Amino acid sequence: DTEVTQTPKHLVMGMTNKKSLKCEQHMGHRAMYWYKQKAKKPPELMFVYSYEKLSINESVPSRFSPECPNSSLLNLHLHALQPEDSALYLCASSQQESNQPQHFGDGTRLSIL
Amino acid sequence: GENVEQHPSTLSVQEGDSAVIKCTYSDSASNYFPWYKQELGKRPQLIIDIRSNVGEKKDQRIAVTLNKTAKHFSLHITETQPEDSAVYFCAASWQAGTALIFGKGTTLSVSS
Repeated sequence: DTEVTQTPKHLVMGMTNKKSLKCEQHMGHRAMYWYKQKAKKPPELMFVYSYEKLSINESVPSRFSPECPNSSLLNLHLHALQPEDSALYLCASSQQESNQPQHFGDGTRLSIL
Repeated sequence: GENVEQHPSTLSVQEGDSAVIKCTYSDSASNYFPWYKQELGKRPQLIIDIRSNVGEKKDQRIAVTLNKTAKHFSLHITETQPEDSAVYFCAASWQAGTALIFGKGTTLSVSS
């Protein structure tokens, strides 16, 4: 059973569309993460939120815009994506930011047409 | 920044054999080292982790060893079973433990 819930599971969008990915956890974790994973590659860190504030942005293009409305929710807003952005987008959370186990959601498989 | 090297990239064993996957890291400040298992089409799942104040940790058939001096850590799986077949990723903490850097992964195949 997954304690980090991501929606939607699959998303197909055109390069001019605007869409959002959502992530929710109810474990009381105060750190939340977005990762991008291409096939047969490791997860690549995109953003880290700690206590609802953005603490790390791994030089991600501005067409990806994260948002943390509260301690349980994390969104990733998408706009004007490119075909190379097609990937599995994983959300994770941890109890606190430093050296704690990260628990992943099932991911959103994103395809850009 | 941190760099994590993982070997081998693929590993094939017979059921019942042991499997060992090794990782090295570059940043001596890293002090948390988790291992994740990812089955095809599924999320990475934490299977074991170790902190730098410990040299070895075991959980049933899985163990992790850490050599801080040499900056390497290893995953050991004993009595492998077909359901152990998956991609295994090591990781090391980075940015004062606020993030993880992953190795490139090892595809483990266990044949019966």
